[in-house]
Amino acid sequence: ETGVTQTPRHLVMGMTNKKSLKCEQHLGHNAMYWYKQSAKKPLELMFVYSLEERVENNSVPSRFSPECPNSSHLFLHLHTLQPEDSALYLCASSQVTGTDTGELFFGEGSRLTVL
Amino acid sequence: AQSVAQPEDQVNVAEGNPLTVKCTYSVSGNPYLFWYVQYPNRGLQFLLKYITGDNLVKGSYGFEAEFNKSQTSFHLKKPSALVSDSALYFCAVRDMKQGGTYKYIFGTGTRLKVLA
Repeated sequence: ETGVTQTPRHLVMGMTNKKSLKCEQHLGHNAMYWYKQSAKKPLELMFVYSLEERVENNSVPSRFSPECPNSSHLFLHLHTLQPEDSALYLCASSQVTGTDTGELFFGEGSRLTVL
Repeated sequence: AQSVAQPEDQVNVAEGNPLTVKCTYSVSGNPYLFWYVQYPNRGLQFLLKYITGDNLVKGSYGFEAEFNKSQTSFHLKKPSALVSDSALYFCAVRDMKQGGTYKYIFGTGTRLKVLA
C-alpha cells in the first residue's frame, strides 16, 4: 500500500448508528487532516493532528469525534449524525518538520450517506 | 487573512485548444501555492506547486502554472487540452505555521469541461 488509504470508500448509516472512518498514511508524515466536502460548498477543514496532538478543531459538532492513535492512523468516529452530514470525507497528510515538501497528500475519500 | 479566489465556476474549452484556469491569492509573506485535481468521487490529486525559484512550474499530465507576484496570481495552464482533463480543479495556498502545523486554504474549485 502506498500513499493515503481511506476505508470504507462508501458508508450508509442511519441517524442512530455509530460508525467510524479510518485513514492510514504510508508516507512517514507527521500531520494528518480531516476535510469535509459537500456539494456546492468549499472544502471544510475539520480537524488537524500534528505529531499526534490535535491542533485544530474547527467548531465541528460533537457528533464527530477524531482519534489519532499514532502518526500513521487517523479515525473519525460518527454517532447520531444528521442527513446534512452526508458528504465526502477526505483524509490528508503532510510533513510539518524536517524534510517538508509542502503539499498535502489526500486519500480517495469516504462517501457518507446519512438516512 | 490568507485567501484564495477562483473566479470561474466552470471553464469550457475545445479539445486541442490551450486552457487556463485562474487563481488569485492573498497572503502575507512568501506563498506556497498548489494546484490539485479531483475526478468524480475521488480524492484530490496533487498537480504542481510553487515554493520558490522559477515562476513557471511544470507538473503532472502536461500542466504548468505561472506564479505572478505583482498580480498575486497562480494560473493553471495546459497548451493542448484533452477530454480526459475534464475534472474539478482546486487552487490552494499554505498559511504560516501555527500551533505546530500549517493550514491549507483552498479555493472553491473550477470545473473544467473539455469538449470533443
